[in-house]
Amino acid sequence: EVQLVESGGGLVQPGGSLKLSCAASGFTFSKHSMSWVRQAPGKGLEWVADIIRDGSQAYYVDSVKGRFTISRDNAKNSLYLQMNSLRVEDSALYYCVKDWTEVSRPLFDYWGQGALVIVSS
Amino acid sequence: DIQVTQSPSSLSASVGDRVTITCRASQGISHSLLWIQQKPGKLPNLLIYAASTLQAGVPSRFSGSGSGTDFTLTISSLQPEDVATYYCQSYFGGPRTFGQGTKVEIK
Repeated sequence: EVQLVESGGGLVQPGGSLKLSCAASGFTFSKHSMSWVRQAPGKGLEWVADIIRDGSQAYYVDSVKGRFTISRDNAKNSLYLQMNSLRVEDSALYYCVKDWTEVSRPLFDYWGQGALVIVSS
Repeated sequence: DIQVTQSPSSLSASVGDRVTITCRASQGISHSLLWIQQKPGKLPNLLIYAASTLQAGVPSRFSGSGSGTDFTLTISSLQPEDVATYYCQSYFGGPRTFGQGTKVEIK
């Protein structure tokens, strides 16, 4: 059974930092790209970042470039999101999502329960 | 970066109606598009990937079509349990981009 379990969310002041973790199990983690997606209360889904299988390349939505860093440890089946210089508008539920593996295979088919990040003074 | 524009932003239809949601990409993305359903208070759920491939366990009343820049999600006969917000997402290249979402309600 595929499981994605996020941790590390919480309340932080504007300008502060937080690191999210995602523990993956039930699939071959090293064969999948992985993504972070966030959803502010009452708002739509926003893709934040993704990282390819070996961790050598990552992509970010423009609003977090230079502030957030996605990383992974394939030996630990873990995904991370280091968030610096946090802003009020970064407040959201952050989902860890199983992403692409190969052509004709599903992606974004498993989502974690989410880690809540609240940025407030 | 590729942008995706989804329409309409909301719709209200009767049970049994055929419902269509469209998604337009700012540049050609081949078949690299998926559709996600999110019911109120629930996790997002993959419906369709590769533009038209139905995810396992998804009812056959859902279908997807299109390629290049124009895509469609169709619900052939709307059911009460289909009340949800639907998102398209491009995954062509590295960055992924969600559409703005379409909220589907029962009339």
